[in-house]
Amino acid sequence: SYELTQPPSVSVSPGQTARITCSGDALPKQYAYWYQQKPGQAPVLVIYKDSERPSGIPERFSGSSSGTTVTLTISGVQAEDEADYYCQSADSSGTPGVFGGGTKLTVL
Amino acid sequence: QITLKESGPTLVKPTQTLTLTCTFSGFSLSTSGVGVGWIRQPPGKALEWLALIYWNDDKRYSPSLKSRLTITKDTSKNQVVLTMTNMDPVDTATYYCAHTYYDFWSGYSMGFDPWGQGTLVTVSS
Repeated sequence: SYELTQPPSVSVSPGQTARITCSGDALPKQYAYWYQQKPGQAPVLVIYKDSERPSGIPERFSGSSSGTTVTLTISGVQAEDEADYYCQSADSSGTPGVFGGGTKLTVL
Repeated sequence: QITLKESGPTLVKPTQTLTLTCTFSGFSLSTSGVGVGWIRQPPGKALEWLALIYWNDDKRYSPSLKSRLTITKDTSKNQVVLTMTNMDPVDTATYYCAHTYYDFWSGYSMGFDPWGQGTLVTVSS
């Protein structure tokens, strides 16, 4: 089994850029996924296969990968982006498996 | 429009077996590439992936819980069932099911999208 490490919290002012990182030894070899979860709601996929954006997700959400770290970037953060964000990594069979511990994004 | 909904007991006793049903619409589990997964979230804690079943009955399990989990599908009823044996209070969580699609070109899932609303299961005597 492997682990994914995320910072517990990130804070940004409206209009600024938020960057949430996720680190793990498996990430150079496997794709990552990002989910947004608002209080009392089910998670929503915002990025898949490192950098692909599902339909309906605003363009301000983007993903990137470098070595053992993947990054979710939210450009021009809005108040509605305040949520918990979770990364997830696929395993060697391509199955989306382990989740990171989550990062709480606070919009100041 | 794809929708999923979880159903099952809200309270189970320690050592009992939990059976959860995911009933979905807007897709068929007989369609090539389609899958349904289960994920749980203890109160105030992180998400944990549990299991996944694909259209071809390929089943994947979390290594740490594999001995306790069984996932099955009933294509005619548009349902996926997850059973978890030997329940413990630490298994108290909201249990979600979610749709996924296998990208044949890359060999990877497209992620879990969308998710059901979740169902809270409490394990207590």
